[in-house]
Amino acid sequence: EVQLVESGGGLVKPGGSLRLSCAASGFTFSNAWMSWVRQAPGKGLECVGRIKGKNDGGTTDYAAPVKGRFTISRDDSKDTLFLQMNSLTTEDTAVYYCTTDPTGYSFDYWGQGILVTVSS
Amino acid sequence: QSALTQPASVSGSPGQSITISCTGTISDVGGYNYVSWYQQHPGKAPKLIIYEVSNRPSGVSNRFSGSKSGNTASLTISGLQADDEADYYCSSYATSSTLDVVFGGGTKLTVL
Repeated sequence: EVQLVESGGGLVKPGGSLRLSCAASGFTFSNAWMSWVRQAPGKGLECVGRIKGKNDGGTTDYAAPVKGRFTISRDDSKDTLFLQMNSLTTEDTAVYYCTTDPTGYSFDYWGQGILVTVSS
Repeated sequence: QSALTQPASVSGSPGQSITISCTGTISDVGGYNYVSWYQQHPGKAPKLIIYEVSNRPSGVSNRFSGSKSGNTASLTISGLQADDEADYYCSSYATSSTLDVVFGGGTKLTVL
């Protein structure tokens, strides 16, 4: 059974940093494409970034609003995905979901989500 | 403003069928058969219910079906049940996006 469990969320001040983790199990993590999708309160879904699997070079791509501030990485030895978020603004307040992204355009498994609140 | 356009809300009575539309452009919905649909109950994570326009993942009820015509994709739910009340989002492969994917703004389904 595929499981994705996010951790590391919380309250942070504008300009601050936060690192989210996603522990994966139930599938071959090292070759899996993984994405972070966020949902601001009462709003829709937005993919903020993706990391390809080891076999595809492990490269990353980011949405324009977070490029240069967010970094996605992975530790394949621990089946864990990370999202490093820097220079946070109130616009980054959202529930962040870790997802599998096998095709690059469809998210088939989702974590339970973790809330990130950016507020002074 | 979302890249794909969905109605804000739809409603139906138990047992009825409803359809939710998702309108894009030739650069996304109209150009590729890579439309997905997600169901999200309040406070829960989204769940993939349709991929590649009309395919259902294992375990998803056959009451859910997808189709596409031109730049508009549609999700039809037949035999409405109370548990179908949720938000529904479409997404599509999109050459206009740096991440090759865009979402719709979501549709709130109310079962009367």
